[in-house]
This record gives sequence, structure tokens and C-alpha cells, in this order.
Amino acid sequence: DQQVKQNSPSLSVQEGRISILNCDYTNSMFDYFLWYKKYPAEGPTFLISISSIKDKNEDGRFTVFLNKSAKHLSLHIVPSQPGDSAVYFCAASWGAQKLVFGQGTRLTINP
Amino acid sequence: GAGVSQSPSNKVTEKGKDVELRCDPISGHTALYWYRQSLGQGLEFLIYFQGNSAPDKSGLPSDRFSAERTGGSVSTLTIQRTQQEDSAVYLCASRQGAAGNTIYFGEGSWLTVV
Repeated sequence: DQQVKQNSPSLSVQEGRISILNCDYTNSMFDYFLWYKKYPAEGPTFLISISSIKDKNEDGRFTVFLNKSAKHLSLHIVPSQPGDSAVYFCAASWGAQKLVFGQGTRLTINP
Repeated sequence: GAGVSQSPSNKVTEKGKDVELRCDPISGHTALYWYRQSLGQGLEFLIYFQGNSAPDKSGLPSDRFSAERTGGSVSTLTIQRTQQEDSAVYLCASRQGAAGNTIYFGEGSWLTVV
């Protein structure tokens, strides 16, 4: 039972354009959502998070949007830079529980 | 330390041998997680420790896998009688205090079973 889904295994975007990474979840109990970025041979690093009481959180070039009615969140990166090329994981949790991760989306930024 | 520390960073072992992977969480972090990522797969939850509560072991794939956390700090993940399908990167993460705080990952222990 995949509670957190990233349906796009890969995404290719031109440098300078907007990258939009999507994530869907099924468990309405989730109340905290995070995005992690992972380079090859490294552990995931935290990028940005959002609580279920909000619908948007912005940090520099990164913005996360949460649509609770659709059980959907997205990460927007603008403008995209070559260093953004990595695998992006969305994750969700509720209460003092484990994080459930999506399968990841490999983002490639083309010069 | 400044971050989550894992050892060994790389381990090659023969099928059937036991392995131990160690995690030193960020000082003061009460929650500790183990995940693994097999080649081409997402992050798979294994086990979660929170303070003195009983650990959530629901993600352990078989009884060959076990983990303990001594003194509420260092954790060891043990895999007995390793199989080739155990080959993966094993990631440890820790979190301070209550839910809603970010969890921070270590660099991972890359296990190859030959």
C-alpha cells in the first residue's frame, strides 16, 4: 500500500525555467509534509516542509503547495539551476510517527 | 557531533554472514529512524525509535533484521545471514523532540552482499 506516491520517475527541465515536482498521498491523517533532495552516494538532505494548517510555504527559490482536499502537494523550483539536478523525495507523517516516503523523482536541469 | 554519523560507510560481505551497521544520531535527538534504499527504489522504512517508547518495527522485512538503541543514543542495525537482496544503502536519521521537526539523515552505509 503506497501511501505517498510520486508518479513521475523523472523530469527534465531547461535551466532558468520552473520545475514542478508532484506528490499524492492517500492517508488523510498526514499532517506534516517534507521534501528531501538526494544526490548520488549521499544521504537525503532536507529541503522544505509544510504543515497541514498551511497551503503554501516558500523558501527562496523553493515553494511547496499543499492541497488537502486533493491530497496533493507540489514543489516548485524557480528558476531551476544545474545544481538542482538530483532525486527529490516527498515524505509525510502524522503525530509522532515515522515518515513515509514517495518513490522519488529524478530531476535533470538542462543547460 | 554536528550531523548523523554512520559506520561503516561501505561494507562488502559474503552471503550468509552477519553484519552490523552503526548510527550515531545528532546529540539530543530523541527520535531515530532506519531506512534503506535499494538500487532504483525509493526510501523504505525499517524501524523507528522514539525516546523510551517501544520501537516501531513494522518495516523490518524479516526476522533476520533487528535493531537496538542503547542509552537512547547510538543505534545498531543487525542483519543476520545476509542475502543478496539485502544489498542496499542503509540510512539512519534522527529528529529532535516532537513530531513536526525535521529529520536529518546520515550519509548511509552501503552494503553489498556477494
